Amino acid sequence: KQEVTQIPAALSVPEGENLVLNCSFTDSAIYNLQWFRQDPGKGLTSLLLIQSSQREQTSGRLNASLDKSSGRSTLYIAASQPGDSATYLCAVRQGGSEKLVFGKGTKLTVNP
Amino acid sequence: GAVVSQHPSRVICKSGTSVKIECRSLDFQATTMFWYRQFPKQSLMLMATSNEGSKATYEQGVEKDKFLINHASLTLSTLTVTSAHPEDSSFYICSASGGGAFQETQYFGPGTRLLVL
Repeated sequence: KQEVTQIPAALSVPEGENLVLNCSFTDSAIYNLQWFRQDPGKGLTSLLLIQSSQREQTSGRLNASLDKSSGRSTLYIAASQPGDSATYLCAVRQGGSEKLVFGKGTKLTVNP
Repeated sequence: GAVVSQHPSRVICKSGTSVKIECRSLDFQATTMFWYRQFPKQSLMLMATSNEGSKATYEQGVEKDKFLINHASLTLSTLTVTSAHPEDSSFYICSASGGGAFQETQYFGPGTRLLVL
């Protein structure tokens, strides 16, 4: 059974700092991995999707990497801003399935 | 593109009543829809998967008679919480995927906050 773990559970940083969020998964037979953002009381916004054959994806100040063999992904946020404050969720999709398995998320607070 | 809506966004009901939540894909045909629930400070837990025109597939531990799912069209799925109890209070989120460019991921609705008194 796939399990997804995110560390740390919470992170507080000053504005402008670069930061890394971590995600690990137990079963490396994934189809893709996705990072989402969730604001309080809201749904999910997709940030980056990495296919199993890819190593990384970039969008603006965000960079996500994937090391499938070791079961790890990182989300790098450059020059953090207060508007980046949210909970970041990592989810993996298994090969042969449409289901997503989510981690518990990292709650990020960027202080002005 | 790929917008999913949910209605209502928030609902308060009395214990013992039934509540229906709608999930709509606004600009694509959703061949598959998913229903999740999320408790405070917890992750999303998949409740069931539904394909248009067929019965939903429920995850282990989810009572199919309590959480009725209907996916009658390619743009609409409904979740009905029957005989709701306070422990059913949660945040319910739907997602949808479709064919072609819409099959690589799930597109999520904004969620419905259910409070059962």
